[in-house]
Amino acid sequence: AQSVTQPDIHITVSEGASLELRCNYSYGATPYLFWYVQSPGQGLQLLLKYFSGDTLVQGIKGFEAEFKRSQSSFNLRKPSVHWSDAAEYFCAVGAQEYGNKLVFGAGTILRVKS
Amino acid sequence: GAGVSQTPSNKVTEKGKYVELRCDPISGHTALYWYRQSLGQGPEFLIYFQGTGAADDSGLPNDRFFAVRPEGSVSTLKIQRTERGDSAVYLCASSLRQQDTQYFGPGTRLTVL
Repeated sequence: AQSVTQPDIHITVSEGASLELRCNYSYGATPYLFWYVQSPGQGLQLLLKYFSGDTLVQGIKGFEAEFKRSQSSFNLRKPSVHWSDAAEYFCAVGAQEYGNKLVFGAGTILRVKS
Repeated sequence: GAGVSQTPSNKVTEKGKYVELRCDPISGHTALYWYRQSLGQGPEFLIYFQGTGAADDSGLPNDRFFAVRPEGSVSTLKIQRTERGDSAVYLCASSLRQQDTQYFGPGTRLTVL
């Protein structure tokens, strides 16, 4: 069965510090990988995506993620966190073989200390 | 341009009642998805439309849930005999084609009393 694990339910970082949010997946097909961000009362906004090609992908708001097939991981990074980055982050996996329906992780809530 | 819109934004109903939730996808998007997000969890897939037909309804939890997309644009998710466990945020997403990026609406928060 397809699954996505985000091991950290909550993460707190200081403003200006670097950030890494972990995502591991188990999938029986060549995956597409996504990171979405959700602010309170808001819908899901796409940060970045990986379909194929370069395994290091750049997204909006200074975020990047690296696809590591050998580790089944797609970790999200940002070199310097801003207070406005406080939100919940979801990793998601899809595949054309499964009609591109997305399987989401449980999310990581990011808190930013000033 | 306009994104995915969902109405109502909030719906409060009583146990046993029937509800309809509406999704307006981005114009021209052929694929439409419904997800359900319970408190503290990530969204879970319910059903996917390609055009007018439901291509995959494997995520619908039981036969009280049904969705339609009669003209290949607007979709309605219908829930009969609502139960308290149906309380969640129902999210709709659309994509240009099946394998493209999904863009999400703001969701409908359903509360069953």
